[in-house]
Amino acid sequence: NAGVTQTPKFRVLKTGQSMTLLCAQDMNHEYMYWYRQDPGMGLRLIHYSVGEGTTAKGEVPDGYNVSRLKKQNFLLGLESAAPSQTSVYFCASSYPSGTSPGELFFGEGSRLTVL
Amino acid sequence: AQKVTQAQTEISVVEKEDVTLDCVYETRDTTYYLFWYKQPPSGELVFLIRRNSFDEQNEISGRYSWNFQKSTSSFNFTITASQVVDSAVYFCALSANDYKLSFGAGTTVTVRA
Repeated sequence: NAGVTQTPKFRVLKTGQSMTLLCAQDMNHEYMYWYRQDPGMGLRLIHYSVGEGTTAKGEVPDGYNVSRLKKQNFLLGLESAAPSQTSVYFCASSYPSGTSPGELFFGEGSRLTVL
Repeated sequence: AQKVTQAQTEISVVEKEDVTLDCVYETRDTTYYLFWYKQPPSGELVFLIRRNSFDEQNEISGRYSWNFQKSTSSFNFTITASQVVDSAVYFCALSANDYKLSFGAGTTVTVRA
C-alpha cells in the first residue's frame, strides 16, 4: 500500500538553487496539500489543490509554486531557495466528506536544508 | 479566519499517569470539523479522530478520549494510563467550511518509564 509518496526524502540546496518536490498518491483523492513543519510552529499550509488543474494559496505561499497536472500528482517548486525555506515538507491528500476535507493522509516528509 | 491554540508546549509524565492535552479553536463558521493527529518520533503523521461541530458527544477509543465543548471552543484530548509508546507530538486541527486544515503548534508528550 503506497498511499502518499514524497520524493526526495532529503535534499540539501545552496541559496538560489531551484528544486521540485514530488508528491504522488494512489488513493484517487481529490484534495492534495503541501505543508511545512518548523519547530514550535506546527504545520503551516503552503498551497493546496481541490482537483486536477486547480491550485490555491495557503497560509505561507511566498517563494513556492505548485502544479497539479494529473490528479495523482502534486508538485511543489522552489524557484530560488532561501535559508528560511529550510524545513520538513509534508504532502497530504484527502477525499472530501461533506464540507470537510476528511481525513488527511500524509506522506513521510521531505527534509530540505538550504545553505 | 480560523485559529487553533495548543497552549501546552511540552508535557512530561510518568508511565500510567493520565495526561490531558488542551485545544482551543476560533472560527466564525457554525459548521466546522476538529481533528487530532499524532506524530511519533519516527516522524509520520497519524490520524486519530475527526469530529464535526454538531456532534458534542464525547468519544472514547481505548485509552484515548476526547472532550468537545462548544461553549468554551475546546476539543481536549486525554490519554489514560499513559505508556511510553504514547510519547509523540500531538496536533489539534480545524477545518471550517473550506478545504483546508489549520493546525495548532502541537504539544510534545514525553512518557517516562
